[in-house]
Amino acid sequence: RKEVEQDPGPFNVPEGATVAFNCTYSNSASQSFFWYRQDCRKEPKLLMSVYSSGNEDGRFTAQLNRASQYISLLIRDSKLSDSATYLCVVNEYSGAGSYQLTFGKGTKLSVIP
Amino acid sequence: ETGVTQTPRHLVMGMTNKKSLKCEQHLGHNAMYWYKQSAKKPLELMFVYNFKEQTENNSVPSRFSPECPNSSHLFLHLHTLQPEDSALYLCASSQGAGVTANTGELFFGEGSRLTVL
Repeated sequence: RKEVEQDPGPFNVPEGATVAFNCTYSNSASQSFFWYRQDCRKEPKLLMSVYSSGNEDGRFTAQLNRASQYISLLIRDSKLSDSATYLCVVNEYSGAGSYQLTFGKGTKLSVIP
Repeated sequence: ETGVTQTPRHLVMGMTNKKSLKCEQHLGHNAMYWYKQSAKKPLELMFVYNFKEQTENNSVPSRFSPECPNSSHLFLHLHTLQPEDSALYLCASSQGAGVTANTGELFFGEGSRLTVL
């Protein structure tokens, strides 16, 4: 069974803190990896892709370790607006030229003033 | 106009009712999806349509019946649902055949929150 496991939440952190989320995936043939963000009572939206070499987008850094099947997201200098649920997502080939995204349950972050 | 629009946003129905959820995408995408999001569970893929053809049915019970008349519209017809079917139903679209290996980007609607009494 293909699974994506994430840190249990919630994470409650003060403004300005650095917070890290971890994720593991079970399918070693997974092709690509992403973090999505879902605000309360809203739809998920792509936050960033995760590349093997690691990548950064402003205060957000994503890393991938294929050998350990592990993905991480680091948020520096947390803002109140970062409060959301962060979903780890893995893209797997499902046959016939089609790929399928498998979502983790998500980790809830609350940034406190 | 938002990229993916879902109606209704909220729906309450009895177990013997028949209702439909509607999704429309204005992004020119070729693939559309139905996902189910229940509390404390990951998003579950239900159906995938690529160029109006169903390419994925993740063992969804027949009381859920999808319909895709064209690449811009997707329906989910509901009939004799159970209380455990209460959830947020999310429609999404993407460019290309299914979700390409490189982009992995789905564009979601705001969802239809369904309550089955």
